[in-house]
Amino acid sequence: QVQLVESGGGVVQPGRSLRLSCAASGFTFSDYGMHWVRQAPGKGLEWLAVIYDDGRTEHYLGPVKGRFTISRDNSKNTVFLQMNTLRVEDTALYYCARDRAGGSYFDLDYWGQGTLVTVSS
Amino acid sequence: QSVVTQPPSASGTPGQTVTISCSGSSSNIGINTVGWYQQLPGTAPKLVIHSNRHRPSGVPARFSGSKSGTSASLAISGLQSEDEADYYCAVLDDSLSGLVFGTGTKVTVL
Repeated sequence: QVQLVESGGGVVQPGRSLRLSCAASGFTFSDYGMHWVRQAPGKGLEWLAVIYDDGRTEHYLGPVKGRFTISRDNSKNTVFLQMNTLRVEDTALYYCARDRAGGSYFDLDYWGQGTLVTVSS
Repeated sequence: QSVVTQPPSASGTPGQTVTISCSGSSSNIGINTVGWYQQLPGTAPKLVIHSNRHRPSGVPARFSGSKSGTSASLAISGLQSEDEADYYCAVLDDSLSGLVFGTGTKVTVL
C-alpha cells in the first residue's frame, strides 16, 4: 500500500533553516510527481511546491519561491523540502503528497500524516 | 487570502444533500479542472473528486462534482455522520503557476 512518511520537523528560531524529508513506499516513486502542502494551526491548506517525476521541473507558491527548495532522490524514494530564512508565519503542519501522475495533473491522491514545524524565538 | 472562495460552513441532517460551492476566476477554474479534498478532524486530507467530477477508487458514489464557467460544486447526497469534515476545492492557477486551495467549508451533520 502507498505510504508517505514525513520527518524533519521541529522547533527552530526565525531566520534559521530546516530540511524536511518524505519517505515513500508502496509504489514506483520515479513515476509520480510529489508535492508539499502546509496547514497553519486552525487554518486552511496552502500548496507550496511540486517536483515532477524526473526531478527536472519544479513549481513554487510565490511567497516561498527563493526561500524553499523542493528536490527528490529517486534512488532513495524520498522527496525533500529545504526551508531557509524561516519566519514565524511558516509555523505549520507540513504534508507531502503524491500527484495522481507524473506531476502535471496537480491532483494529490495520497498524503502523509505531516510533520510539524514551529518557528519561534 | 485565497483567490478561490468557498462558504465557511454548510450543514444538513442525515440523508439530506449538501452542496458546497467553489468560486474562482478565468485564470483558474475557468480553464483548469477542479479537485475536492475531505479533511476529517485531526487527519490528513483525502482526495474525493478529481478532474471536476471523477471519484477515485473507494470514494462513495454519494460524492459528486461539477463545474460551470468559473465555479465548481461538490454535492454530498445521503449525508452521513462520517461526512462531517472540512472540504477544500483545489485548482491550478495559471497566473500564479501553482495549485490554489479554496478557503474551505466545514460541513456539519445536524
